[in-house]
Amino acid sequence: EVQLVESGGGLVQPGGSLRLSCAASGFMFSSYEMNWVRQAPGKGLEWVSYISGSASTIYYADSVRGRFTISRDNAKNSLYLHMNSLRAEDTAVYFCARLSMVRGLIFDYWGQGTLVTVSS
Amino acid sequence: DIQMTQSPSSVSASVGDRVTISCRASQGISSWLAWYQQKPGKAPKLLIYAASSLQSGVPSRFSGSGSGTDFTLTISSLQPEDFATYYCQQANRFPLTFGGGTKVEIK
Repeated sequence: EVQLVESGGGLVQPGGSLRLSCAASGFMFSSYEMNWVRQAPGKGLEWVSYISGSASTIYYADSVRGRFTISRDNAKNSLYLHMNSLRAEDTAVYFCARLSMVRGLIFDYWGQGTLVTVSS
Repeated sequence: DIQMTQSPSSVSASVGDRVTISCRASQGISSWLAWYQQKPGKAPKLLIYAASSLQSGVPSRFSGSGSGTDFTLTISSLQPEDFATYYCQQANRFPLTFGGGTKVEIK
C-alpha cells in the first residue's frame, strides 16, 4: 500500500525557517517524481515544487523560488522541503504528492498534510 | 502560466441530483486535465485523469469530458458521500495549476 507521511510542520515566526519531511513507503520511491502542494486555510490548492526521481530536475512556483528548497534521499525513501524567509502568506497545510508514472502530470497519491503556521 | 477557472464556486444539491462542474483553461491543454475530490481535513483524492478516464476504484457515477480549454465533471446521481469540494488541475506543463474549487453542499 502506498503511504506518504509528512512531518515537521509547526509555528514559526516571520523570517524563520522550517524543514518538512515526507516518508514514503509501499512503492519504489526512487522511480517516482515527487511534489509539494499547499493549501492555505479555507483556500484552494497551490502547487509548490517538483523534483524528479534522480533529483536532476527541480521546479518551483514563483511564490517560493529563492526561499524554498526541495530535496530527496532515495536511500531513506524521503522527500524534504527546506523553507527559509517564511512569510505569513506561507501559512498552509503542506502535502507531499506523488506524480503518476504513466498518466501525466497528475497526483495519484497524497499524504495527509502537515500544517505550517507563520506568525509572531 | 495556465490559469484554471472553475464554475460555479459552490452548488447546493440533493441526493440523487445530477451535478455538473465546469473548468476552463486559459489556453489549450488538449486532454491534460485531472479532477480531485477533497473532504474537510483530508487530502485530495484523484477522480479523473486525461479529462475523461476514471481512476481505479472511483464510482462510475463520476465522469469527465472535454478537451482543449473547456472541461466538465459530472456526478450522475449525487450520493451522501459526494458532498465535498472538487478541483480541476491542468496536467499539461509546469507550473501545475488548479482551479479555485467547487463546493458541493447539501440542499
